[in-house]
Amino acid sequence: GESVGLHLPTLSVQEGDNSIINCAYSNSASDYFIWYKQESGKGPQFIIDIRSNMDKRQGQRVTVLLNKTVKHLSLQIAATQPGDSAVYFCAENTGGAGSYQLTFGKGTKLSVIP
Amino acid sequence: DTAVSQTPKYLVTQMGNDKSIKCEQNLGHDTMYWYKQDSKKFLKIMFSYNNKELIINETVPNRFSPKSPDKAHLNLHINSLELGDSAVYFCASSPRTGGGQPQHFGDGTRLSIL
Repeated sequence: GESVGLHLPTLSVQEGDNSIINCAYSNSASDYFIWYKQESGKGPQFIIDIRSNMDKRQGQRVTVLLNKTVKHLSLQIAATQPGDSAVYFCAENTGGAGSYQLTFGKGTKLSVIP
Repeated sequence: DTAVSQTPKYLVTQMGNDKSIKCEQNLGHDTMYWYKQDSKKFLKIMFSYNNKELIINETVPNRFSPKSPDKAHLNLHINSLELGDSAVYFCASSPRTGGGQPQHFGDGTRLSIL
């Protein structure tokens, strides 16, 4: 799910399947990461976050995995539903210690096939 | 009871005009932000205010001037609008400047310059 060229990368999944959206982040010093969901005409909506001292965190139907060695973040959505169709963004805190500045990835569009 | 609200939702205006976008949050947060989202969905921080004090000012033309009358409001005034200013502008807020808390976004203001 990394951005290439001018178009958002798209992931199409069948309803009921699991989805995995990937993100490569830029700063090895980033200490906090967030996944957001953006539906058409809406603002980014918080899904799940993870701190750099963890490698996995689970929410309701969602799991975030953090691999600091390769600077990779993934979002797993279990039993994907039509309402999960949206653009998903990862964001990292690039502000440094005691500071807070989110840098967003380029987004992945998830399309759920009913 | 919208948490972060922006007005107007749509703004269509001529090149060269001056316009303002308003943002209010009722979450009791100390920090507020303005982001710009371009046509490729790329989200970039513009400004951040903490308790009415400017703390982040990315490379943004000085035609853009944020104003924070109190910590619940962060307005964005844009002078001499240009075609390249066409975008969706998002306001966000978070509990504090230190990382580790998600930012909450409004639903955006779509600015179109004719």
